[in-house]
Amino acid sequence: QSVLTQPPSVSAAPGQKVTISCSGTSSNIGNNYVSWYQQFPGTAPKLLIYDNDKRPSGIPDRFSGSKSGTSATLVITGLQTGDEADYHCGAWDSSLSAGVFGGGTKVTVL
Amino acid sequence: QVRLQESGPGLVKPSQTLSLTCTVSGGSIISGGYYWTWIRQPAGKGLEWIGRIYSSGHTTYNPSLMSRVTMSVDTSKRQFSLNLSSVTAADTAVYYCARGIVVINWFDTWGQGTLVTVSS
Repeated sequence: QSVLTQPPSVSAAPGQKVTISCSGTSSNIGNNYVSWYQQFPGTAPKLLIYDNDKRPSGIPDRFSGSKSGTSATLVITGLQTGDEADYHCGAWDSSLSAGVFGGGTKVTVL
Repeated sequence: QVRLQESGPGLVKPSQTLSLTCTVSGGSIISGGYYWTWIRQPAGKGLEWIGRIYSSGHTTYNPSLMSRVTMSVDTSKRQFSLNLSSVTAADTAVYYCARGIVVINWFDTWGQGTLVTVSS
């Protein structure tokens, strides 16, 4: 059971938009930065979003992140077949004094 | 560009100790503003943060694993290590080492991961 809650899967047609939610508490998302990671099968996660809404160099602006209260959201616009992957949210939990993640969301392009 | 590479046995017997090492290349392990962490992922499941170590040797462990985890760092070899004792089948997972950013706690560089199976 992951500390952060994500939907197991989302899907949309090419060119459409998907939204992935990440729900937590005041101990984690509510008072700490959220990051998002993209993971293709058999490979390591890759940093996609940091500090809630910032993109590392090389990440397309089709990927955007936001945070409100104890929830965070990752939005992928202009969906492409190459975006099919698992997406994980992460944050620090001040009560646990530990990093925490969501269970991951699988994005399927129909 | 910093690169991380995990190494260690791929098969560990139940009740024994899992030992992995991560080698840092392309950058300093003593860089200010960073720490070094271990994260694991059972097949088909999400990521689990195991713990972190600073180049000073200061550690923080996941409370759920704290009684079984020990991390260490050897700055002369640019390596940090994970020991997980009394393993069971539930510890079977892909283990990743990663670099974390101090205070804001996101992970910008990951190793490729290594599968560790606990089985007799």
